[in-house]
Amino acid sequence: GDSVTQTEGQVALSEEDFLTIHCNYSASGYPTLFWYVQYPGEGPQLLFRASRDKEKGSSRGFEATYDKGTTSFHLRKASVQESDSAVYYCALSDQQGTGSKLSFGKGAKLTVSP
Amino acid sequence: GGIITQTPKFLIGQEGQKLTLKCQQNFNHDTMYWYRQDSGKGLRLIYYSITENDLQKGDLSEGYDASREKKSSFSLTVTSAQKNEMAVFLCASSIESFSGNTLYFGEGSRLIVV
Repeated sequence: GDSVTQTEGQVALSEEDFLTIHCNYSASGYPTLFWYVQYPGEGPQLLFRASRDKEKGSSRGFEATYDKGTTSFHLRKASVQESDSAVYYCALSDQQGTGSKLSFGKGAKLTVSP
Repeated sequence: GGIITQTPKFLIGQEGQKLTLKCQQNFNHDTMYWYRQDSGKGLRLIYYSITENDLQKGDLSEGYDASREKKSSFSLTVTSAQKNEMAVFLCASSIESFSGNTLYFGEGSRLIVV
């Protein structure tokens, strides 16, 4: 079945560092890919999504590009802030979307030190 | 805007007990979900429902029952609580779209088994 692989479980950075969190997926066709962010004490919330090859999603300085060739959707940010400390989940849904379910990766906990 | 309300925020029960979590949404969304969140394992789908009185099993449905008696509510029952089931349970809802579902999550309910 469809699946998402996130390799980093914990990421520790200092403010203004560059961030990369890797996400690779396994699915047929063109799934929609998502990044969700979960702040402490809250539920996950959508950061952004992408539906087509080479489409770039972005929000709050974060970005990721849908790459069907490498089946990847890596999250990047040029300069992280302490307020970015959270858990980041990559997810995918199947091509049709209607009545479908999201498959989530295991999440990457980002801790940014001042 | 809308909101997902999960009750209770903390649910404490004894081993073997039947325990129920409740979720309400005022988005008027068709689809609702229950996910289980374990540290290092991400979010795993327990049950989802695409309309009132519909139930679909997720990857982790064994040991759980669900009920969708109204469009706005979705409950999850742990049929016999075990200590290895202590986790955070997240309820979510979504409106259908062909470009992929965006899920809106509640803040979670933490299950504690003593």
